[in-house]
Amino acid sequence: QVQLQESGPGLVKPSQTLSLTCTVSGGSISSGGYFWSWIRQLPGKGLEWIGYIYYSGISYYNPSLKSRVTISVDTSKNQFSLKVTSVTAADTAVYYCARASSSSCFDPWGQGTLVTVSS
Amino acid sequence: QSALTQPPSASGSPGQSVTISCTGTSSDVGGYNYVSWYQQHPGKAPKLMIYDVSKRPSGVPDRFSGSKSGNTASLTVSGLRAEDEADYFCSSYAGSNNFDVFGTGTKVTVL
Repeated sequence: QVQLQESGPGLVKPSQTLSLTCTVSGGSISSGGYFWSWIRQLPGKGLEWIGYIYYSGISYYNPSLKSRVTISVDTSKNQFSLKVTSVTAADTAVYYCARASSSSCFDPWGQGTLVTVSS
Repeated sequence: QSALTQPPSASGSPGQSVTISCTGTSSDVGGYNYVSWYQQHPGKAPKLMIYDVSKRPSGVPDRFSGSKSGNTASLTVSGLRAEDEADYFCSSYAGSNNFDVFGTGTKVTVL
């Protein structure tokens, strides 16, 4: 059974870069057929799709975040990563990684990690 | 890329049914049969309950059902149980420019 786990700093200063990694276990990112995704949940609010990447490295991003977001994949470590540059308090959220199917459903999800942007 | 519209809250007594709507546009919900529904308990990650408008993943009770008409998708929970009290989010594929969009979320209360 595939499981995902986010890791990274819980506190980032304004204007700096937020970096998170998602480690996949119980299955190989390289097996194909799925997109590996990042989704965030702003405090007390709904979910926002950030972007996803295929094992080959092709990536797609939410147009509203595209200028600040990079998603990369390391198949040798069975991990994929998220970078968000020039963060502000508005980027404070719980960040989830998830596996996306070709029909755009997300399953499973990681447990989520809270990232706070504050000086 | 606007969020899909859901009612903020819905409620029902144990054993009753509750239906949650998810309204989008012809560019997302109405344009593709790629609507999913997620259940989220407080402090937990979302869990997939319905995909491809009306399909249930293995392990999800058949009390949960999905449908779509035009630009609006719906999730119905029949035979409400206390453990169904949670937030529910819809999502839809939105084409090759916007890709995926989520709903605003609905809090379901079991009275």
